[in-house]
Amino acid sequence: AQTVTQSQPEMSVQEAETVTLSCTYDTSENNYYLFWYKQPPSRQMILVIRQEAYKQQNATENRFSVNFQKAAKSFSLKISDSQLGDTAMYFCAFMKHGIDGGYNKLIFGAGTRLAVHP
Amino acid sequence: GAGVSQSPSNKVTEKGKDVELRCDPISGHTALYWYRQSLGQGLEFLIYFQGNSAPDKSGLPSDRFSAERTGGSVSTLTIQRTQQEDSAVYLCASSLDRGRGLQDTQYFGPGTRLTVL
Repeated sequence: AQTVTQSQPEMSVQEAETVTLSCTYDTSENNYYLFWYKQPPSRQMILVIRQEAYKQQNATENRFSVNFQKAAKSFSLKISDSQLGDTAMYFCAFMKHGIDGGYNKLIFGAGTRLAVHP
Repeated sequence: GAGVSQSPSNKVTEKGKDVELRCDPISGHTALYWYRQSLGQGLEFLIYFQGNSAPDKSGLPSDRFSAERTGGSVSTLTIQRTQQEDSAVYLCASSLDRGRGLQDTQYFGPGTRLTVL
């Protein structure tokens, strides 16, 4: 069974600074996907970034980037130039590669609550 | 385009009553998922539907929980004889199955907050 661990229940950062959120996972699969989702107080889960395990290059989306270490089973999220609007819960999630179709369930970590201060 | 919608936004019910939660996925998305988020915790998978295939019900916590998806679109999650431990946010997501093992991202609705008194 796959598990996802986020060891930082809470983090805080000053506006404009950089913060890194940690995520580790356990799996025996070779093909899989990793995601970071953001959940602001509105409850809406918003995709931040995704990474295919077969890709060695780390994914980036504007101010968000990941450090994907497949051998270490680590998938950290770096937020550069933090903004007040980045305040939210951040969830790391794992999805096994489907065999028969392009779908499968997500397995989530417990989340990290990030507060960005002015 | 329109995202995933869920109704109601909030539901308060009494212990023992039945509730129905609705999810309307993104148009054209063939896969639909239900997750539960208990207070201060991560998301727990409940069930997913994919086209005309039999749903994966492996995450349903008890036989009081059931779900159906009519016409390959709207889905209803039903909880019978609700208990206080059922209080949680119920989130629905949908994705576009590209087939051949290709995955696509799950897009979430705003959730239904269920409170069982």
